[in-house]
Amino acid sequence: AQSVSQHNHHVILSEAASLELGCNYSYGGTVNLFWYVQYPGQHLQLLLKYFSGDPLVKGIKGFEAEFIKSKFSFNLRKPSVQWSDTAEYFCAVKGNNRLAFGKGNQVVVIP
Amino acid sequence: DAGVIQSPRHEVTEMGQEVTLRCKPISGHDYLFWYRQTMMRGLELLIYFNNNVPIDDSGMPEDRFSAKMPNASFSTLKIQPSEPRDSAVYFCASSLDALRNSPLHFGNGTRLTVT
Repeated sequence: AQSVSQHNHHVILSEAASLELGCNYSYGGTVNLFWYVQYPGQHLQLLLKYFSGDPLVKGIKGFEAEFIKSKFSFNLRKPSVQWSDTAEYFCAVKGNNRLAFGKGNQVVVIP
Repeated sequence: DAGVIQSPRHEVTEMGQEVTLRCKPISGHDYLFWYRQTMMRGLELLIYFNNNVPIDDSGMPEDRFSAKMPNASFSTLKIQPSEPRDSAVYFCASSLDALRNSPLHFGNGTRLTVT
């Protein structure tokens, strides 16, 4: 079964700083990749997804992620964060008909 | 579309009591998932259904946990008897076609506290 690793569980940064969250997975077959966001007190929402094609994926709210197959990675980036980006971010990998989530990154943006 | 609806939002109960969590998926979605979220383990898949049939329940932690989907618009997750270590947020999610490209749509979750 595939597994998903997210590093730096807690990230604190100031507004306008750049954000990058790492996601690595262990599965050698074809995968679909997702990033979900969970704002405080809310449910998980899809941020962006990759199925095929251009490995650089643009999502909502200025987020993007790059799929690097050779590194089994799907890192999330945002050039300039806002206070409203304070949330928990989950990477998810679907392979072999199973969807596995990482443990999440708790991101706090200080105004 | 109202999205995935879960009830109750919060549940506080004493150890040994039966707990029933409810979920209404998005209309037309053929897949329904139950997840548990804790600080220690993150998001864990408990069970998922396709067309009301349980497909994979390997994530259900013990026999105390059971899930049903009597029809396409309703599912329950039951814990009997409940224990303090069951305290977590339980999410229900639905998907149009989980085996292909459809993402999951999550409900707001039920925060369960077992004292």
